[in-house]
Amino acid sequence: LAKTTQPISMDSYEGQEVNITCSHNNIATNDYITWYQQFPSQGPRFIIQGYKTKVTNEVASLFIPADRKSSTLSLPRVSLSDTAVYYCLVGDMYNNNDMRFGAGTRLTVKP
Amino acid sequence: NAGVTQTPKFRVLKTGQSMTLLCAQDMNHEYMYWYRQDPGMGLRLIHYSVGEGTTAKGEVPDGYNVSRLKKQNFLLGLESAAPSQTSVYFCASSYPAGSGYEQYFGPGTRLTVT
Repeated sequence: LAKTTQPISMDSYEGQEVNITCSHNNIATNDYITWYQQFPSQGPRFIIQGYKTKVTNEVASLFIPADRKSSTLSLPRVSLSDTAVYYCLVGDMYNNNDMRFGAGTRLTVKP
Repeated sequence: NAGVTQTPKFRVLKTGQSMTLLCAQDMNHEYMYWYRQDPGMGLRLIHYSVGEGTTAKGEVPDGYNVSRLKKQNFLLGLESAAPSQTSVYFCASSYPAGSGYEQYFGPGTRLTVT
């Protein structure tokens, strides 16, 4: 299993772009990278997923360098409602039964 | 379309008591999962199921049993509750492997064992 390492916490201000980097040095060929968001007292919610290069959706972008040993979740113009814990997961595309959630990154957005 | 629902939302048990947590999904997902989340920590996989009638152990299965008699339901049982099982339990469901990793989570069950 590819282990992931993320910062424990980050602070930002409303309107800024936030980049959260996840390290996964032993990522395997079949592994995808997925990010989830969790608000207090709620279950995690899928944000974005990618394999390589860049993926963008309506809420975030995911940047993955060529060696795939890290990935960066980018949240454009954050608001107070983006305050949450963000989890980076790496797992086999053919066996998604053993994904491991680490402690995540607690993002606090300040006014 | 309710997504993933969990019953009950809260429960307090005494040590040694038993209980069953119910998870239901209406998205026709093949895969279902049970996680626990302890304060300040990420989610840890307890058991999972890749289809009706099948179950498998996850990262922390000891003290729990599961059953998947119907595709839409996944039950988590505690036969003899212990204080170490005080946690928030999340159920999730997803499409089969190879279809991406989007797991849909329920709202959680907060269990306290005294």
